[in-house]
Amino acid sequence: AQTVTQSQPEMSVQEAETVTLSCTYDTSESDYYLFWYKQPPSRQMILVIRQEAYKQQNATENRFSVNFQKAAKSFSLKISDSQLGDAAMYFCAYRRNSGYALNFGKGTSLLVTP
Amino acid sequence: ETGVTQTPRHLVMGMTNKKSLKCEQHLGHNAMYWYKQSAKKPLELMFVYNFKEQTENNSVPSRFSPECPNSSHLFLHLHTLQPEDSALYLCASSQVGGGELNYGYTFGSGTRLTVV
Repeated sequence: AQTVTQSQPEMSVQEAETVTLSCTYDTSESDYYLFWYKQPPSRQMILVIRQEAYKQQNATENRFSVNFQKAAKSFSLKISDSQLGDAAMYFCAYRRNSGYALNFGKGTSLLVTP
Repeated sequence: ETGVTQTPRHLVMGMTNKKSLKCEQHLGHNAMYWYKQSAKKPLELMFVYNFKEQTENNSVPSRFSPECPNSSHLFLHLHTLQPEDSALYLCASSQVGGGELNYGYTFGSGTRLTVV
């Protein structure tokens, strides 16, 4: 079974600063997908960014980027120019290429201070 | 409109009650999922339906009974629940197969269930 570990239960960042959320995963697969989801108080899980394991280039979506280290099985999320609206729970998730299930980490609560 | 709608938003039920959670997706997806989200725990996959057929049941107790009458609707029927079943129940959908890459899910806003 694949496991996803987020070692930071809580993180805090000042508005306009940069923060990095950590995620590691365990798998024996070579082809898979990785995701970061955001869950604000509204409870809906929103896809932030995704990465295909076969791509060496790190994914970027506006202020959000990842550092994907396949050999180290690490997938961190960097949020640049943090905004108050970025405050939420962030979940790292893994899906193997041939499966349906998304396996989630326990999440990191991000607080953004003015 | 999120694309995936869940009702009710909140539900309080006694251990002897029978209730149902409803999920509807407006995205034309062919796979739907139930997840359970408890405090301090990772999201737990409960059931997967692909083209209305159940493809996964992750050792979920029989007091949870899913139903998928078509690819747009998904229900979770609840009966004789326990207090430890109190959680946020999330529905999601995705597109599988047909030459399209299935990147991720679209989630609903969940039903907050409290069992008393």
